[in-house]
Amino acid sequence: EPEVTQTPSHQVTQMGQEVILRCVPISNHLYFYWYRQILGQKVEFLVSFYNNEISEKSEIFDDQFSVERPDGSNFTLKIRSTKLEDSAMYFCASSQQGAVTEAFFGQGTRLTVV
Amino acid sequence: QKEVEQDPGPLSVPEGAIVSLNCTYSNSAFQYFMWYRQYSRKGPELLMYTYSSGNKEDGRFTAQVDKSSKYISLFIRDSQPSDSATYLCAMSGGAGNNRKLIWGLGTSLAVNP
Repeated sequence: EPEVTQTPSHQVTQMGQEVILRCVPISNHLYFYWYRQILGQKVEFLVSFYNNEISEKSEIFDDQFSVERPDGSNFTLKIRSTKLEDSAMYFCASSQQGAVTEAFFGQGTRLTVV
Repeated sequence: QKEVEQDPGPLSVPEGAIVSLNCTYSNSAFQYFMWYRQYSRKGPELLMYTYSSGNKEDGRFTAQVDKSSKYISLFIRDSQPSDSATYLCAMSGGAGNNRKLIWGLGTSLAVNP
């Protein structure tokens, strides 16, 4: 069964450092998403991406965040200067036609900012 | 008022019990109602979804939506230990917001053999 793959599974970084979270979406999918879940809180939408540009972003997705599809297979989330409050589980998702009902999620990257 | 509310539990039931999981919401624009299952250290996995009102059944699982009450439910019949997981409801609006999910907190379920 096709799956969305995220690396690394756990990333520890120092406050102020840049991190890049990587995702390999399902190969024929065209829509890509990042969500995050702070421990004990709800899953929150960060950004959706289609046709090499951001379709929608939340208030959380400020200037310190960026997304990129550098090579046609990977989809990355960069956090430029990490803060303690960025510690969360980050989920990548992809869908073929953009319907929320068909989005597949990766297993997540746990980001710990110390 | 929070957009989506879900009792986090935990909920503990004996094997074979009928489980009822629920969410309430405030945004009347929501049209798609999803239930996800999440095992520990895994991403959410879509169980089933309903468009607008009504019921949908898939094996031991039944999803119900009552838009007049802004209330959705997931029933699990003949629950199994393998059903032990966190169940998250998620919702989305119409065509304009079709690509963003609004989530509940998740309910932790333990089915005891």
